[in-house]
Amino acid sequence: DADVTQTPRNRITKTGKRIMLECSQTKGHDRMYWYRQDPGLGLRLIYYSFDVKDINKGEISDGYSVSRQAQAKFSLSLESAIPNQTALYFCATSGHQNRGFTTQYFGPGTRLTVL
Amino acid sequence: GENVEQHPSTLSVQEGDSAVIKCTYSDSASNYFPWYKQELGKRPQLIIDIRSNVGEKKDQRIAVTLNKTAKHFSLHITETQPEDSAVYFCAASRDGGTSYGKLTFGQGTILTVHP
Repeated sequence: DADVTQTPRNRITKTGKRIMLECSQTKGHDRMYWYRQDPGLGLRLIYYSFDVKDINKGEISDGYSVSRQAQAKFSLSLESAIPNQTALYFCATSGHQNRGFTTQYFGPGTRLTVL
Repeated sequence: GENVEQHPSTLSVQEGDSAVIKCTYSDSASNYFPWYKQELGKRPQLIIDIRSNVGEKKDQRIAVTLNKTAKHFSLHITETQPEDSAVYFCAASRDGGTSYGKLTFGQGTILTVHP
């Protein structure tokens, strides 16, 4: 879905480096998410944000931080990258509905390799 | 928190056969169950979802069934085609509280349809 974009698409870095992954959306959604995907482990939630002032940890937040700069932008940072953070990272967005059941729209993913 | 188990991890079928993927969840308060399809190198996309007030839902060749008592739900694909080959993820979510809108994903099933 071209309405959710991620930069960079691929990144190779070294252990100890600081890395920022960026996500932007033009869908007007208020909710944004960061997941990592590893083979055999599915999609695991790192952080999520239900609006600009609301940031929540997911199931695997250790070693990561996030910033919600605007409704449309949600960045994920690895303060000091380590090899086991090598993975495919997805940003996702969803719109607010009264009953809370909304489709999540994923970005194209960022493949991160930490050497 | 919620835990979602998905089986099998890989599934190989002949074109025209049916495929069934099963998921179990742990949180009896979960009430929304989407299925996502991820083609090779692409982002996950929603293909069908079901809410807890419904036992079954169909959309052309795909269907999802839900058994709330047993806490499991399944994806059924009939008359499989090679383009159905992908990774399929189930997920669960519940409305209310801090879990509002947050999905927990299963580990994924790699479906291969042989021509």
